[in-house]
Amino acid sequence: QSALTQPASVSESPGRSITISCTGTSSDVGGYNYVSWYQHHPGKAPKLIIYEVSNRLSGVSNRFSGFKSGNTASLTISGLQAEDEADYYCSSYHYCTSCTSSSIYVFGTGTRVTVL
Amino acid sequence: QVHLQQWGAGLLKPSETLSLTCGVYGGSFIGYYWSWIRQSPGKGLEWIGEIHTSGSTKYNPSLKSRVTISVDTSKNQFSLKLTSLTAADTAVYYCARGGDRLGISWGQGTLVTVSS
Repeated sequence: QSALTQPASVSESPGRSITISCTGTSSDVGGYNYVSWYQHHPGKAPKLIIYEVSNRLSGVSNRFSGFKSGNTASLTISGLQAEDEADYYCSSYHYCTSCTSSSIYVFGTGTRVTVL
Repeated sequence: QVHLQQWGAGLLKPSETLSLTCGVYGGSFIGYYWSWIRQSPGKGLEWIGEIHTSGSTKYNPSLKSRVTISVDTSKNQFSLKLTSLTAADTAVYYCARGGDRLGISWGQGTLVTVSS
């Protein structure tokens, strides 16, 4: 199974909105509603912010929202703030036909968000 | 909120075996999946595998031949062993809660360097 595809980087000014895509296949993103998003500041452990496509974890700002259409999931950050500058990863449940266990997880390639 | 604390050797030689353990404190352990995830320098997150407290396991097929994840329910701990190490296994290794909300809790990360 291959990593899910994300843009390498996205840059935008404070207060603006950005959307990060996460493209997979019908064996993962398109086939299941188990897409999650993580915020990762270098040197710290990643933080789960969105689970099951669009559910925000308790305490996560409502500036973060998730969506899915077909084989592509998206994370939108509105009202961009300096503290949002980080790496963002998606993950998805993946149906693996060649695995001993049919269900595994796969991560996206990661997106570096820069707040200008 | 559950707290994960991980430990294990950080400097290993090629062909040696990586051994890490993760303790789960302050929350429910039984009935959940528990995962290992790594991030190689300059690269993205990679799901290694997970174990349910019943003992059932799921592994990344790319690592399956070298990985063993085990659980000790009497101590609320789970462990990772990765054999036949090479420089490509140099990474920060994280333990995390697995399953549907993969990564809702994370360990602090352990940098494992494989070098002769």
